[in-house]
Amino acid sequence: EAGVTQSPTHLIKTRGQQATLRCSPISGHTSVYWYQQALGLGLQFLLWYDEGEERNRGNFPPRFSGRQFPNYSSELNVNALELEDSALYLCASSLYLRAGNQPQHFGDGTRLSIL
Amino acid sequence: AQSVTQLGSHVSVSEGALVLLRCNYSSSVPPYLFWYVQYPNQGLQLLLKYTSAATLVKGINGFEAEFKKSETSFHLTKPSAHMSDAAEYFCAVSYSGSQGNLIFGKGTKLSVKP
Repeated sequence: EAGVTQSPTHLIKTRGQQATLRCSPISGHTSVYWYQQALGLGLQFLLWYDEGEERNRGNFPPRFSGRQFPNYSSELNVNALELEDSALYLCASSLYLRAGNQPQHFGDGTRLSIL
Repeated sequence: AQSVTQLGSHVSVSEGALVLLRCNYSSSVPPYLFWYVQYPNQGLQLLLKYTSAATLVKGINGFEAEFKKSETSFHLTKPSAHMSDAAEYFCAVSYSGSQGNLIFGKGTKLSVKP
């Protein structure tokens, strides 16, 4: 069974640019989550999508946005990039999380570096 | 607010020694609990999960964890450390009716000395 796949592996941008990160979930999983892992800040929840809708978002500004496609893949868009956006962005997927007991399975992440 | 505390940002053990990584959660509502491992330049891999069945949970790579409600703990153990266990370990919780996000501890980096 293929795991969660993310692309690109690395992304280098400059301040003010826009970045798009992509994620394909495990087959059969309808929920996709995005997390930011920045140095010294731990794992911070960004967004949760299920069945094409945004279900919840973490404490991040609106320039962090995304969407989920009919095939359940997802993309994360970050506009007006700032230096502090440099981080590892992790995507995870699960079966629908209504009960909270479905484990999330993670991809290897996209390393975003802002110059 | 719900939170997860991992005692010790860095733990060092000798190869063959017991591994004990501590995790405590703060909540009056029983959570679902997970341990993940992260190797350098990789994502998180699920080690094990507690979802209100048996309180002693066995996971992959010889790890296990015990849910103790009275202590609000979910410590991770392995009887004998191997060099390949060197990695960062994260404890995480979620709740029934969850808003989707896992709440993670800050992680514990495990070093294994030969």
